Parts: sequence; C-alpha cells; structure tokens
Amino acid sequence: AQKITQTQPGMFVQEKEAVTLDCTYDTSDPSYGLFWYKQPSSGEMIFLIYQGSYDQQNATEGRYSLNFQKARKSANLVISASQLGDSAMYFCAMRDAYTGGFKTIFGAGTRLFVKA
Amino acid sequence: GAGVSQSPSNKVTEKGKDVELRCDPISGHTALYWYRQSLGQGLEFLIYFQGNSAPDKSGLPSDRFSAERTGGSVSTLTIQRTQQEDSAVYLCASGGGAALKNIQYFGAGTRLSVL
Repeated sequence: AQKITQTQPGMFVQEKEAVTLDCTYDTSDPSYGLFWYKQPSSGEMIFLIYQGSYDQQNATEGRYSLNFQKARKSANLVISASQLGDSAMYFCAMRDAYTGGFKTIFGAGTRLFVKA
Repeated sequence: GAGVSQSPSNKVTEKGKDVELRCDPISGHTALYWYRQSLGQGLEFLIYFQGNSAPDKSGLPSDRFSAERTGGSVSTLTIQRTQQEDSAVYLCASGGGAALKNIQYFGAGTRLSVL
C-alpha cells in the first residue's frame, strides 16, 4: 500500500544555514513521482520540487534539492541558505499509477522554523 | 483565471445543515482534486476527477459527501447533514493531466466550521 512518512513534526534552523527535511515512502509500483510542497501560514500549498522514480539525477530547483535514495525509499528535501520566509509547513507527497488514475498521498508534514 | 479559485473562503454552519464548496480550476486543466486538511494535519484525499472519466471517489469519508464537476471545469463539493468532525480546511487542486509528473496547483481553501 502507498505510504508517506515524515518523522520530524518540527525543525529549527538558523538563518543562512542548510536544513534537511526527511521523507520516506512505500509503494509497490516501480513508476512513481515524488513532490514537495510548502504551506505558509496563509494556507496555500506551493509546489517546490519533483523527482521521478526513473530520473537519474537528483532534482534541484534554486535553493531546493531533493536527496533521492531509491533503494532506501527516501526523498529528503534540502533547503540551502535558509531564509526567514522559509518558515512554513513542508509536505512530502507521492503519486503512483494504479488502476483508474493517479492518486497522490501526502505525509503529515514538518513545520520548519527559521531563526534570525 | 490565473490560479485555482475556491469559494467561500470561510463557511460557518450549524450541525445538520448542508454546505456546498466551490472550486474553479485553472483553465484547461483536466485533473481536479479535493482534499481535506484538519487542524495541524496533512492532506486527506477525498476525490479526483480526470477529464470525462468516472471520478475516483475512494477517499470520500461517508455518503454525506459528494462532488460533481460540470462541463469538465467547475467542481462543487457537497456535505450533507454536516457534523462537527467535518470542520476542516477543504483544499482544491487542479493539474494538467493524469501523468505522474503533472503538478497540482492548489487554491487557498475553504475553512469550514460546523457549530
């Protein structure tokens, strides 16, 4: 069965430092996609980065990179040079193919606090 | 429009009343999703529409919940005989299709409070 696990309910990081948010997943489908979303206090979900299961390289988008370890089924988000505006909830999500469509499941989230 | 629009942004209702939540997806997006987010929790999948295919209703928590999508565009989520446990933020997202990589773009949500 599909499953997404984020084990860090909350994380603190000093401004300008890097931080890693953990995500592990489980699926029996060899073809899947992994997503990270940011949810600031305003409530809107903002797409950050995507990694496909067959992608050869780890995804990067600006200050965001995804540490994809397929054998370990982990897809950790790395934020470099943290900024105060990075304080938010971060959700890991997975989509895989199944009969009838492409369902996406989300983890419980990690709340990141960036300290000045 | 430029993004996914949801209305109302806030809804307060009394237990037992019916409510309708509306979602206007990004023009041209064939995929539309509804999620529920309880306070401090992750997103719970409710229902998924893809083009003209039959919707995936596997996440609807009870038969009090239903959703429709008219003309492949606007969607309405209806909750009948609301209960206090229905209080949550209901998020709608749309996407370009059924491919794995298609990104979901979210609306700002409707905050439902059942008194």
